[in-house]
Amino acid sequence: DAGVIQSPRHEVTEMGQEVTLRCKPISGHDYLFWYRQTMMRGLELLIYFNNNVPIDDSGMPEDRFSAKMPNASFSTLKIQPSEPRDSAVYFCASSPPGQGASEQYFGPGTRLTVT
Amino acid sequence: DAKTTQPPSMDCAEGRAANLPCNHSTISGNEYVYWYRQIHSQGPQYIIHGLKNNETNEMASLIITEDRKSSTLILPHATLRDTAVYYCIVEGVGGANNLFFGTGTRLTVIP
Repeated sequence: DAGVIQSPRHEVTEMGQEVTLRCKPISGHDYLFWYRQTMMRGLELLIYFNNNVPIDDSGMPEDRFSAKMPNASFSTLKIQPSEPRDSAVYFCASSPPGQGASEQYFGPGTRLTVT
Repeated sequence: DAKTTQPPSMDCAEGRAANLPCNHSTISGNEYVYWYRQIHSQGPQYIIHGLKNNETNEMASLIITEDRKSSTLILPHATLRDTAVYYCIVEGVGGANNLFFGTGTRLTVIP
C-alpha cells in the first residue's frame, strides 16, 4: 500500500493567490482528516470527513479555507486568498472503518510558504 | 483542551529501553489512550492504543495503571531512528474531532 499521498510536497506562493492542496487517502479508509502544523500552535485538526461527507469543520480558521471530498479517493483543501500567516505544514490523514476514528495514518505533508 | 501531561524532553541510550510517561488523571471510562510519534519533517505515525489492559505490538508496549490515571509507552530497544516527538492522546471512540496532540515528549536516542 502506498499510504496517504499528498501533493504538492512544497508550495510557495504570493499573498492573495489561490492555493489548492491535494490528498489521496489509503484505499478502503472511510475517514479523512486535514491538519495544520505550525511552531506556534502545534498540530491542529481543521476538518474531517466520513464517507466523503464533512462531519466537523470547526477547526477551519476562516472562510478563506474550504475543503471538499468529491469521492472516496480524493480530497482538496483550498485557501483563497492566501495570506502569510497561512504558512505551515498541512497534513492529510485517513482512518479505516471499524477501528475507531483515532487510529490515523498520516501523509508526508505539504509545506506551504506564502510570501 | 489538554487531557494529558508529558515531560517536554527525555534522553535514552541506544539499545536501552525508553520509558515515556503520560499523566491523564481526568480520563473517563470510555476513553482510550493513544500514542503517536512524529519524526522530524514527517507526518505523525500511529504507535499503539489501549483502554484498560496492557498492550504490545511490533513497535512498543503500553502499560496503563490500574486506576487508568497514567500510562507508560515502552520502546524495548531504542534505536537512533526512534528519535522523535511522542504524543500521548486521550480520546473516545468516534471522537476524532477532539483529537488533541499537545506538545508531546521529545525523545532523543543517544549513540
